[in-house]
Amino acid sequence: SQKIEQNSEALNIQEGKTATLTCNYTNYSPAYLQWYRQDPGRGPVFLLLIRENEKEKRKERLKVTFDTTLKQSLFHITASQPADSATYLCALDKAAGNKLTFGGGTRVLVKP
Amino acid sequence: ETGVTQSPTHLIKTRGQQVTLRCSSQSGHNTVSWYQQALGQGPQFIFQYYREEENGRGNFPPRFSGLQFPNYSSELNVNALELDDSALYLCASSPGTSGVRPHEQYFGPGTRLTVT
Repeated sequence: SQKIEQNSEALNIQEGKTATLTCNYTNYSPAYLQWYRQDPGRGPVFLLLIRENEKEKRKERLKVTFDTTLKQSLFHITASQPADSATYLCALDKAAGNKLTFGGGTRVLVKP
Repeated sequence: ETGVTQSPTHLIKTRGQQVTLRCSSQSGHNTVSWYQQALGQGPQFIFQYYREEENGRGNFPPRFSGLQFPNYSSELNVNALELDDSALYLCASSPGTSGVRPHEQYFGPGTRLTVT
């Protein structure tokens, strides 16, 4: 069966350092992969979208890579700030159907 | 904040009852998707509506049903509530035609449903 795995353990990181999150998937061939941020009690907020034929995407301090051979995406937050503390969700989309399959999310805590 | 609104914010129901949750999509968005998010987990896709028709369904039983109206707002109905239905129900709208190109989803704040 299809499986999307994100590290369920919280990631504690010092302000200014780079946070790196992983998203691994099996039995799946996504055409697109998206990353969302979710704060407690709120809906997810879109951050980045990357296509299967793209290796890397950047937006300000955020960077996403997508390796369809390894079936893995990495999400980086550079120069992290306490305001970056949240849960980060990866989501796969098979064929631009906009019907997302989400991972369980990884909580990030940035300490000043 | 997105332009997607959901009501009510919180709801407590008893097992066996029925519930209707509502969503107003962002202006100009014709596609609405519903997700269920249990505590500590990622959202799970329930179904999607595009121009008032159901356009894909996740692994949820028929007692989960929905509607989309001409103004693209939407309802999620759940019959015969079970304890496991307790979750945050999220509505997401997107601007484009489904299946043509991917779009980011604009999520509402969710409705917290508790079934006792």
